[in-house]
Amino acid sequence: DSGVTQTPKHLITATGQRVTLRCSPRSGDLSVYWYQQSLDQGLQFLIQYYNGEERAKGNILERFSAQQFPDLHSELNLSSLELGDSALYFCASSHGDRGVEKLFFGSGTQLSVL
Amino acid sequence: DAKTTQPTSMDCAEGRAANLPCNHSTISGNEYVYWYRQIHSQGPQYIIHGLKNNETNEMASLIITEDRKSSTLILPHATLRDTAVYYCIVSGGNNAGNMLTFGGGTRLMVKP
Repeated sequence: DSGVTQTPKHLITATGQRVTLRCSPRSGDLSVYWYQQSLDQGLQFLIQYYNGEERAKGNILERFSAQQFPDLHSELNLSSLELGDSALYFCASSHGDRGVEKLFFGSGTQLSVL
Repeated sequence: DAKTTQPTSMDCAEGRAANLPCNHSTISGNEYVYWYRQIHSQGPQYIIHGLKNNETNEMASLIITEDRKSSTLILPHATLRDTAVYYCIVSGGNNAGNMLTFGGGTRLMVKP
């Protein structure tokens, strides 16, 4: 158990819909990272938040957004969903704000867009 | 971040040492070598990291060549539970925002 909690574990929705994925970091960790893993793209970094502020952005689509709340949990919002958004979404956390820190990953949310 | 090259797949007999190579010939002086693994569709798991000295922890050993252009992850006594995709990642510096970039990794199959 990494200490990072992601909910829900599975999500099935239809094209055009909007969903929210939730992540609670390990106790004491200030950074949260979101990654997307699809069969054809591998693990892709999406975005990082540190203590409530956006720190780094990767290959995140404009239809996707994220935020980190004062209690340090984070949400990833995916809107106008397309079939190609079907993937495993992982959240990771670390203590500091450098992406090179040791990351602890959650067990992921499997999103299926039908 | 420097790119890494890993074999696509490897086999190892249970109980034997698994030696996973990684080439990172464009690594720069302040970049670290990280190893993570992903078992089936679970979240990636940190294994070990190093800058230039060899490192060992309870999971594995990391051997980095003197020129730092390659490294080897060693699982001393592989078990069936070590079957996973192993990612070698080079990243670093002191700047915030140096993210871990995962490549294709090496699919290690530990066989009885």
